[in-house]
Amino acid sequence: GENVEQHPSTLSVQEGDSAVIKCTYSDSASNYFPWYKQELGKRPQLIIDIRSNVGEKKDQRIAVTLNKTAKHFSLHITETQPEDSAVYFCAAGNTPLVFGKGTRLSVIA
Amino acid sequence: DAGVIQSPRHEVTEMGQEVTLRCKPISGHDYLFWYRQTMMRGLELLIYFNNNVPIDDSGMPEDRFSAKMPNASFSTLKIQPSEPRDSAVYFCASSLTGNTIYFGEGSWLTVV
Repeated sequence: GENVEQHPSTLSVQEGDSAVIKCTYSDSASNYFPWYKQELGKRPQLIIDIRSNVGEKKDQRIAVTLNKTAKHFSLHITETQPEDSAVYFCAAGNTPLVFGKGTRLSVIA
Repeated sequence: DAGVIQSPRHEVTEMGQEVTLRCKPISGHDYLFWYRQTMMRGLELLIYFNNNVPIDDSGMPEDRFSAKMPNASFSTLKIQPSEPRDSAVYFCASSLTGNTIYFGEGSWLTVV
């Protein structure tokens, strides 16, 4: 089955800097790669996703890149703000998704 | 759109008691998932349904856990008997496509 590794487990950045979170997956048949943001005490919420026929996708300050050959994908957040502080989860697969262990991002004002 | 609705939001129960968690998926979504979240193990898939039929229950930890989906708008996850190690947040999620999933607010379970 699919196995998803996520790094780093914690990340601290200064407000305004960029943050990058990386994930690798094992199953070459996986074709869907979403990212979820979970604020403290809340549910995970989808923030961006990418499918295997696309290499990069952007939505304002957030971008995701996918390298199918290397089986890795990354989340990039630019111009970070304190409200970006949360736990971010990557996931890979088809049905069902397999989630990474999460990255706790702290944006320091 | 009301989103995925879960109840109860919080439950504290004594070891050995039966716990029933409930979920109403988004209307029209054919897939329903139950996840468990803990600090140590992250988000684990317990079971998922497609068109009310259980497809994969390999994540259900043991026979104390059972899940049902009697109709398209309701599912339950039952733990009997409950143990302290079952303390976690249980998320229900639903999906139209099977991969873009939407989570409910979660049921925070504490077993003492």
